[in-house]
Amino acid sequence: QSALTQPPSASGSPGQSVTISCTGTSSDVGGYNYVSWYQQHPGKAPKLLIYEVNKRPSGVTDRFSGSKSGNTASLTVSGLLAEDEADYYCGSTAGSRTYVFGTGTKVTVL
Amino acid sequence: QVQLVQSGAEVKKPGSSVKVSCKTSGGTFSSYVIAWVRQAPGQGLEWMGWSIPTFGTPKYAQKFQGRVAITADKSTRKVYMELSSLRSEDTAVYFCASAQNDYGAPFDFWGQGTLVTVSS
Repeated sequence: QSALTQPPSASGSPGQSVTISCTGTSSDVGGYNYVSWYQQHPGKAPKLLIYEVNKRPSGVTDRFSGSKSGNTASLTVSGLLAEDEADYYCGSTAGSRTYVFGTGTKVTVL
Repeated sequence: QVQLVQSGAEVKKPGSSVKVSCKTSGGTFSSYVIAWVRQAPGQGLEWMGWSIPTFGTPKYAQKFQGRVAITADKSTRKVYMELSSLRSEDTAVYFCASAQNDYGAPFDFWGQGTLVTVSS
């Protein structure tokens, strides 16, 4: 049950796009279409942004989008806003009724 | 809409145990999964385990096997996470999170977090 691998940081200027990768194995990301993405601001609980690879919960802006290819999932944040500066975590269903999170990516809006 | 309210901060000695509660409201208690996720200072999210109504026993991450217990009290709609043999590395914020009782469902509601500090 190793954590999924994410880049430690990503950045972009307001209005630009940033894409965060999440690499796992065929036992988690690659084996299921149950990848989720969470946004966490300092001192706050995580918030669900994307589920089942590319679906958005009600109320989440379409500036957030998800995709997956093989063992790697990606989150793209388009039209960066200052409020998008936060930590982002992927998560995936894994084998044997378990779950695994990614290592997290800090997004900075320049 | 599910709401999760956790118990307050705890300070514990190394070797002791801590029991954190997560009071649920909204929805049918037995219809959703409650997971426990922890976050050490400056670190990422770590799934500890969950209570799945469909299955009789909780499922725990291998790392915490033998040291964590997740229990549920339907009468009070509370889910508990007890972690034993505490060490300084267990200092973290512990979150409960809920998911629909469907395979692969995401964590759509979260508690506010409970800070557990382990210090002599």
